[in-house]
Amino acid sequence: ETGVTQTPRHLVMGMTNKKSLKCEQHLGHNAMYWYKQSAKKPLELMFVYSLEERVENNSVPSRFSPECPNSSHLFLHLHTLQPEDSALYLCASSQDTAGETQYFGPGTRLLVL
Amino acid sequence: GQSLEQPSEVTAVEGAIVQINCTYQTSGFYGLSWYQQHDGGAPTFLSYNALDGLEETGRFSSFLSRSDSYGYLLLQELQMKDSASYFCAVSSGYALNFGKGTSLLVTP
Repeated sequence: ETGVTQTPRHLVMGMTNKKSLKCEQHLGHNAMYWYKQSAKKPLELMFVYSLEERVENNSVPSRFSPECPNSSHLFLHLHTLQPEDSALYLCASSQDTAGETQYFGPGTRLLVL
Repeated sequence: GQSLEQPSEVTAVEGAIVQINCTYQTSGFYGLSWYQQHDGGAPTFLSYNALDGLEETGRFSSFLSRSDSYGYLLLQELQMKDSASYFCAVSSGYALNFGKGTSLLVTP
């Protein structure tokens, strides 16, 4: 398997649920990212990891908790989400955080009820 | 802070040429990238300019003027499959900051 994969592709959850999104990259990259994309809005950077260390947290609410156990895997743990958190969550990777070329996964379409 | 401006929508005819402009304001600048995203799909990388001038990749070209904080994506010989959203993005060292995207509709 090549590129960047994300699971699940679709997720419906209630506001009291806890779920996790998973991202895996098979490109040997050192940097990984989480983005949120809402309808009619630009991609919003959420978190940046470089060599498994978080280097940027873009004022994201604490109900979103990232985890990067190694340079190939990135998780986004979700708890007590709000309906406005419904969006497409995209994972990306790049060789390093200069990151002019980022490779995106297919995304997880999240619906919070 | 950072801001990027690009038109929200563009419509063009199949076979034509279209130019999508992007102006930016940023405190740190490494380069300007362009990404394409089809409905329901993930963004895919098209081009990157770190230096002034024109970069050509097949039917797509990208231009950068650092002194003007301006760039554009040029799409030639438009095809129906080029209907998509196109995002410019500024690389500022840590990550990419994306514009709001331009929705391109190619009509027969």
